[in-house]
Amino acid sequence: DTGVSQNPRHKITKRGQNVTFRCDPISEHNRLYWYRQTLGQGPEFLTYFQNEAQLEKSRLLSDRFSAERPKGSFSTLEIQRTEQGDSAMYLCASSRTGGTGELFFGEGSRLTVL
Amino acid sequence: DQQVKQNSPSLSVQEGRISILNCDYTNSMFDYFLWYKKYPAEGPTFLISISSIKDKNEDGRFTVFLNKSAKHLSLHIVPSQPGDSAVYFCAARNYGGSQGNLIFGKGTKLSVKP
Repeated sequence: DTGVSQNPRHKITKRGQNVTFRCDPISEHNRLYWYRQTLGQGPEFLTYFQNEAQLEKSRLLSDRFSAERPKGSFSTLEIQRTEQGDSAMYLCASSRTGGTGELFFGEGSRLTVL
Repeated sequence: DQQVKQNSPSLSVQEGRISILNCDYTNSMFDYFLWYKKYPAEGPTFLISISSIKDKNEDGRFTVFLNKSAKHLSLHIVPSQPGDSAVYFCAARNYGGSQGNLIFGKGTKLSVKP
């Protein structure tokens, strides 16, 4: 399977703990995106990388959130001191530069903060 | 403020009939519009897109229409099949904004009844 891979698929944690999600994009894609989706909402943009450079961060990405893409391949999204409001589906997507805007999404990592 | 709006949270259609999903937008800088389909516990899957310079794009049973003067687009599915039952998201890319950042609507849940 050469699609976007995310893990873990589901994470349950207690408030105040740190969690980390990993995303492996489609290998020939140089852009990688993180989105968050909550119940009844569409995906909301968090941040994106072109190769290893983080080019944009949304206002939704508070200072408790950090994303990295150290070698321009896989990416991690870490949430420190989790809060109940962080409970959501975290979606990773990848794409080539240019094109028609089509993003290829992974299956998501669902976070539940108790 | 929502730049991409899907005002119908749900739609129910009989198998074999036409499904019409609607989307309105406010930002005239959007250069591409996309439709994604999402099944439960999966990431969104790209369905079809349209450039802002076109007014129609067709792919098999799926056709997207764009009315720029009304800032409105619609997705037509003909004939509808039970496997089309999913949540459909309208998304738009902001040419004047970040490169590749898609803005999503809240989605419309389509149910196709046999």
